[in-house]
Amino acid sequence: AAGVIQSPRHLIKEKRETATLKCYPIPRHDTVYWYQQGPGQDPQFLISFYEKMQSDKGSIPDRFSAQQFSDYHSELNMSSLELGDSALYFCASSETSNYGYTFGSGTRLTVV
Amino acid sequence: AQSVTQLGSHVSVSEGALVLLRCNYSSSVPPYLFWYVQYPNQGLQLLLKYTTGATLVKGINGFEAEFKKSETSFHLTKPSAHMSDAAEYFCAVKGYSTLTFGKGTMLLVSP
Repeated sequence: AAGVIQSPRHLIKEKRETATLKCYPIPRHDTVYWYQQGPGQDPQFLISFYEKMQSDKGSIPDRFSAQQFSDYHSELNMSSLELGDSALYFCASSETSNYGYTFGSGTRLTVV
Repeated sequence: AQSVTQLGSHVSVSEGALVLLRCNYSSSVPPYLFWYVQYPNQGLQLLLKYTTGATLVKGINGFEAEFKKSETSFHLTKPSAHMSDAAEYFCAVKGYSTLTFGKGTMLLVSP
């Protein structure tokens, strides 16, 4: 079965650089979510999109932005990276009628 | 508002022993409840979920959980632990808003 695809799997950036993470949801899933998981932490909700419109917003820094495109893939753009942004970034997708979120394998971002 | 409390950041069991991971939730609306498992450096895998209907939910790998509204609990159990069960387990709740996770419980399994 198709899963949620995230790219890249690993990313190393320097402070103050920018990064773009990509997420390809499961076909026919209408909602995409982004989560950040710091070392030894629980996943924290950043932002979500329903049918390409932002549907909910969590603890996403102003330096971050995200969007969902016409093909339903989503991108998380992160600027002015800080050491504290080092984390696993997960994307998940779901259907409105099915409340299970399917998570991707994540992108591990390391800021040096 | 919604939140999840997982009792015990670490739980140790012997192989073959009962696994019990505790989860209590808070939600202002009838909740949907989930358990996810995360192996080191991997993503979150759904073990089981409760939305409506039967309160005893069976999941993958022999795990099950029971939704107890009166106790606001959704504890995860497995009759006999296996070495491959060693991982971090997250309980999560979805009310009005998106999925909110607990802090996680690391399950350690000793031979």
